[in-house]
Amino acid sequence: KAGVTQTPRYLIKTRGQQVTLSCSPISGHRSVSWYQQTPGQGLQFLFEYFSETQRNKGNFPGRFSGRQFSNSRSEMNVSTLELGDSALYLCASSLWPGSSYEQYFGPGTRLTVT
Amino acid sequence: AQKITQTQPGMFVQEKEAVTLDCTYDTSDQSYGLFWYKQPSSGEMIFLIYQGSYDEQNATEGRYSLNFQKARKSANLVISASQLGDSAMYFCAMRFSNTGNQFYFGTGTSLTVIP
Repeated sequence: KAGVTQTPRYLIKTRGQQVTLSCSPISGHRSVSWYQQTPGQGLQFLFEYFSETQRNKGNFPGRFSGRQFSNSRSEMNVSTLELGDSALYLCASSLWPGSSYEQYFGPGTRLTVT
Repeated sequence: AQKITQTQPGMFVQEKEAVTLDCTYDTSDQSYGLFWYKQPSSGEMIFLIYQGSYDEQNATEGRYSLNFQKARKSANLVISASQLGDSAMYFCAMRFSNTGNQFYFGTGTSLTVIP
């Protein structure tokens, strides 16, 4: 069974631009979560989607948004990029939301903002 | 507020020896899940082991075991017979039944296995 895939793996953008990252969950998984990882702030939760609905959102500005499609694939968008948005963005999928279900992470998209 | 603490920024262990990575947490919730993930330099988070807050037995998965002490709010990861491939960052994480799939992560411990 294929794992979680994220595209692109690496991205370089300029301040002020916008970016869209994509995540395809493991087949059959319906819950997708996004995390931002930086050396300074560590791993921080961005948002979670289940059945095309955002169920939970972390403490990030409105420049960060996401969506989930009917096939459970998810995208996240960051508008008006800032230097501080440079990070590894990780996507995770699980069968269902709930504390007993493990999440499987993708390899991440490394975003560099110059 | 939920808080996870990993007090060991870096650890070294001799190959084939056992090592314990510490994790303590602070929560007033009774229902939660505890997870450990490994992150090699490639960046991908690899699931290692899970412990539910109501599980009475400590979880084990191959060379990984979780020393769960609920009253002390600690969930230490024990890796037995360390291998060179175990060198990576290790993160302790929690999830709560009332916050869906949101993970709260500790700051991580960098483990280096010495040949």
